[in-house]
Amino acid sequence: QKEVEQNSGPLSVPEGAIASLNCTYSDRGSQSFFWYRQYSGKSPELIMFIYSNGDKEDGRFTAQLNKASQYVSLLIRDSQPSDSATYLCAVKRNYGGSQGNLIFGKGTKLSVKP
Amino acid sequence: SAVISQKPSRDICQRGTSLTIQCQVDSQVTMMFWYRQQPGQSLTLIATANQGSEATYESGFVIDKFPISRPNLTFSTLTVSNMSPEDSSIYLCSARDTFNQPQHFGDGTRLSIL
Repeated sequence: QKEVEQNSGPLSVPEGAIASLNCTYSDRGSQSFFWYRQYSGKSPELIMFIYSNGDKEDGRFTAQLNKASQYVSLLIRDSQPSDSATYLCAVKRNYGGSQGNLIFGKGTKLSVKP
Repeated sequence: SAVISQKPSRDICQRGTSLTIQCQVDSQVTMMFWYRQQPGQSLTLIATANQGSEATYESGFVIDKFPISRPNLTFSTLTVSNMSPEDSSIYLCSARDTFNQPQHFGDGTRLSIL
């Protein structure tokens, strides 16, 4: 089982709709979860992080965490064409010699159609 | 958040040669990391650059191939040694101030091996 799993997509949504991106992780002891946005040819850009169960909102973005289900999601409301990018889920390890390293999923490619 | 600069931004190298990538952070940071992103793939952690001691490498990566230096709290280098076409990739430097802070990335070095 991969440490961090995401649906690779592509996920296509119309402009103005809600985009829902999902991620599951295998290490039940993980404490910190991150969403990065990566435009083609660019480096990852941090957009959200969440540590506690529940929802965390920042503008049009909402991160949701359910540790019991080992599941984290990112909702993008009022999606815009400029949101079209690959979204990477990352989980911070909390064990062993690699304590604190971020482990990334393969990313979900989002396409917002005008 | 810290500003992370990498150079070179891209290079084309001959098989069998070596290239050193530099990473400069505009403030002192506790942790620095090196990642690789192969075409169409997600990020894979190469190693954690430890200040004043040897880097901690992930499974599949060795010091002879990817020697890393970290002479102080703002600077690190990654050398890709004896390059082959399989090393063609984007190499990303990343930094985090403390364990609980989010991690940010430099713009990356796009490396092509002929």
